[in-house]
Amino acid sequence: SAVISQKPSRDICQRGTSLTIQCQVDSQVTMMFWYRQQPGQSLTLIATANQGSEATYESGFVIDKFPISRPNLTFSTLTVSNMSPEDSSIYLCSSRQGPGELFFGEGSRLTVL
Amino acid sequence: SQELEQSPQSLIVQEGKNLTINCTSSKTLYGLYWYKQKYGEGLIFLMMLQKGGEEKSHEKITAKLDEKKQQSSLHITASQPSHAGIYLCGADSNQGGKLIFGQGTELSVKP
Repeated sequence: SAVISQKPSRDICQRGTSLTIQCQVDSQVTMMFWYRQQPGQSLTLIATANQGSEATYESGFVIDKFPISRPNLTFSTLTVSNMSPEDSSIYLCSSRQGPGELFFGEGSRLTVL
Repeated sequence: SQELEQSPQSLIVQEGKNLTINCTSSKTLYGLYWYKQKYGEGLIFLMMLQKGGEEKSHEKITAKLDEKKQQSSLHITASQPSHAGIYLCGADSNQGGKLIFGQGTELSVKP
């Protein structure tokens, strides 16, 4: 199993600013993903974080708004840029090593005023 | 694209009662995962099903995948307040290891 740590766990930000969320996995993993969970909603995949190359974004999500880095097999960051109140969500980092369970971090709860 | 539909969307049961949550896929499921989420927290993995007709149990929770691999159910026996939370089914998209999720079922258990 993998243990995933996310920072920050929560933050309150001003409109127009940017926030970077960090995700650290306690072991090397093949796959890392970022999900968003808007209030009262299910999980929506933002992108697959690819090690050493550009992330693969899902429909409706773009790199300028959600730049992602993955410098190695245990670490990734997600930046939420030029935030608006609509970006208020829980952002979840997840990892997977082959077929099987997808592990999740505790999430980063973001509130944009 | 594949979609997962969960029912019911919310459920309130009396402690000690049994309950069932369903998850229906628009396409054949290659892997079906059940997670539980406490409010505002991360997801806790419950069970994974891959074979048609497969059934798994953990404590008082049983999950089944139908023979056609398009529907799964999660059954809780003798529910307790600790079972309260949001239950999510997730499916392998068969594209790069990512999972897609149903909209979730919010369970409340009244003492």
